[in-house]
Amino acid sequence: QKEVEQNSGPLSVPEGAIASLNCTYSDRGSQSFFWYRQYSGKSPELIMFIYSNGDKEDGRFTAQLNKASQYVSLLIRDSQPSDSATYLCAVMESQAGTALIFGKGTTLSVSS
Amino acid sequence: DTEVTQTPKHLVMGMTNKKSLKCEQHMGHRAMYWYKQKAKKPPELMFVYSYEKLSINESVPSRFSPECPNSSLLNLHLHALQPEDSALYLCASSNEPRGDGELFFGEGSRLTVL
Repeated sequence: QKEVEQNSGPLSVPEGAIASLNCTYSDRGSQSFFWYRQYSGKSPELIMFIYSNGDKEDGRFTAQLNKASQYVSLLIRDSQPSDSATYLCAVMESQAGTALIFGKGTTLSVSS
Repeated sequence: DTEVTQTPKHLVMGMTNKKSLKCEQHMGHRAMYWYKQKAKKPPELMFVYSYEKLSINESVPSRFSPECPNSSLLNLHLHALQPEDSALYLCASSNEPRGDGELFFGEGSRLTVL
C-alpha cells in the first residue's frame, strides 16, 4: 500500500513568519511530487511541483525534495493570512502513470 | 477560473435515484480523473481515463459507473447510492503523454445522498 504521510496540524504561524510543511512517501520509485492548496469548500489548486533533488523556488514558496530520505517539504516565506488553508502533498505513483496519491493534508493557520 | 467545468455544483438524491455528474475540459488533455473527497480528508482516486479508455478503477463499488464519451467529457453515473457516498466529487484532467502529473481540478460536485 503506497502511502503519503503528512502532519495534519493545525500548524499556526504569525503573519510574516516562515511556515514549514513536511511530507514523506513510501513508494521509492516515485518521480514527481506536488503541493496543492485547498481552501475550505473549494477544489485543490497546484502550488508547486518538483522532480529533482534539491530546492525549487517560486515567489514566496520553496519546495525541497530528498529522494534518498523519501521526503518533500514546502516552505512559505512571509506567511500571510490568505495562506491559511489545507496543504496537500501529492505523489505520482510510479506504476500508475499520472495518478496522484494525496496525503491527508496539513492545515495552516496564519494569524495577523 | 477553472478550465475544468463540473455540473451540477450541488446534487441531492435519494437512495433509489439515478443521476449523473458531468465534467468537461477543453485543454486537449487526454487523461481525466474522478476523485472523491469527504470532509477533512484528502481526495481519493476513483477512476482514471487515458485516451478515453478506463485505465484505473480503484475498486470502486458498481453503483458508481464512469463513462468517457469523448476526450473532452467525463461522466459519473450514480445509482442506488448510500448516505455514506455523500461527498465532494472532483473531476480533474492532465496532459498525457507528457505525464508531468499536474492535475487541473474542477470546482467539484457536492453530493448529498438522503
